[in-house]
Amino acid sequence: DAGITQSPRHKVTETGTPVTLRCHQTENHRYMYWYRQDPGHGLRLIHYSYGVKDTDKGEVSDGYSVSRSKTEDFLLTLESATSSQTSVYFCAISGGSGATEAFFGQGTRLTVV
Amino acid sequence: GIQVEQSPPDLILQEGANSTLRCNFSDSVNNLQWFHQNPWGQLINLFYIPSGTKQNGRLSATTVATERYSLLYISSSQTTDSGVYFCAVRGGADGLTFGKGTHLIIQP
Repeated sequence: DAGITQSPRHKVTETGTPVTLRCHQTENHRYMYWYRQDPGHGLRLIHYSYGVKDTDKGEVSDGYSVSRSKTEDFLLTLESATSSQTSVYFCAISGGSGATEAFFGQGTRLTVV
Repeated sequence: GIQVEQSPPDLILQEGANSTLRCNFSDSVNNLQWFHQNPWGQLINLFYIPSGTKQNGRLSATTVATERYSLLYISSSQTTDSGVYFCAVRGGADGLTFGKGTHLIIQP
């Protein structure tokens, strides 16, 4: 199994509070990704990183920010959580862009009440 | 962006049956993967198959990149094959684009 750890695995938070999800990898892969999964939508890309301090937006980036200060860690922050951000969040890694296989973490279930 | 369509959306089979899942995509890709999401929500890599044919036990996959489709074959289905099967593609340097999945139920 790819060495990807997401924390926390489950979280319940109140509307308007900040939330940070962490993805940690032990594979030394260059690329890291955050996705969200919602019923009827499959998985959708939020943000991705192609190196330390190098990040870019995905399909559904509004309301989210990311940071990558070390190769092994990629943080996803919801500055002010809303009920529409209730979802399951997955982190993924890959060794390069384009033609390389991606591996996913176990997911974090976030509920915003 | 690239569009990914999977069919059928739902499939119910008896144990021992064979099945074919299809993935159509709208543009050229340099990465195509099949995943199985088990009932616990874990995404399991099945195949990395941007082109050609691969087999792994009872599962096999074929991607015809020039015609923009991929097929996942499951033979002699078992109840543990139940779950959602996702096709995902990438055309450039950003992340994978996922289809909405095929929800497979294998009945004993």
